[in-house]
Amino acid sequence: DQQVKQNSPSLSVQEGRISILNCDYTNSMFDYFLWYKKYPAEGPTFLISISSIKDKNEDGRFTVFLNKSAKHLSLHIVPSQPGDSAVYFCAATGGAGSARQLTFGSGTQLTVLP
Amino acid sequence: DSGVTQTPKHLITATGQRVTLRCSPRSGDLSVYWYQQSLDQGLQFLIHYYNGEERAKGNILERFSAQQFPDLHSELNLSSLELGDSALYFCASSKTGTGSEKLFFGSGTQLSVL
Repeated sequence: DQQVKQNSPSLSVQEGRISILNCDYTNSMFDYFLWYKKYPAEGPTFLISISSIKDKNEDGRFTVFLNKSAKHLSLHIVPSQPGDSAVYFCAATGGAGSARQLTFGSGTQLTVLP
Repeated sequence: DSGVTQTPKHLITATGQRVTLRCSPRSGDLSVYWYQQSLDQGLQFLIHYYNGEERAKGNILERFSAQQFPDLHSELNLSSLELGDSALYFCASSKTGTGSEKLFFGSGTQLSVL
């Protein structure tokens, strides 16, 4: 039962253009969402997060949008740079106490072409 | 550098064997999490420890066990290994483990069961 889904295993974008990575979730208890970036031979690193009380959060070139009614979030990278090439994981958490563990999607490999 | 140290980086062993993966969290972090990433899969949550006590269990097999020691380092023990246990195992840490804070990941242990 995949509660967090990233349906696009890979995405290629030209340098300078916008990259849009998508994520869908099924658990209505999720109230906090995060994006992690992973380079080869390294662990995932935190990129940006959003609480369910917001529908947008921006940090420099990175913006996360949350559509609660559609149970969908997206990460926009503008402008995309070759250094952004990595695997991006969407993650979500919700519920109370020990139930608040991060559930990750399967990741999207972003390739930014120079 | 996330500040989370995992050893060893690579481990090759045979079916039926037992191995121990080690994790040292960031200085000051009380929570340690273990995740498994198999080929083309997202990060699967295994177990969470907070200040020496088990806080939550995810999809962890009975052949696997973990503990967190008084100095806060953690070990993940995998026994009666099967080919399907080959995966990248990540440890992550956080200050409080409330579930609404970002996790800091180590670079992982690549386990190959032959």
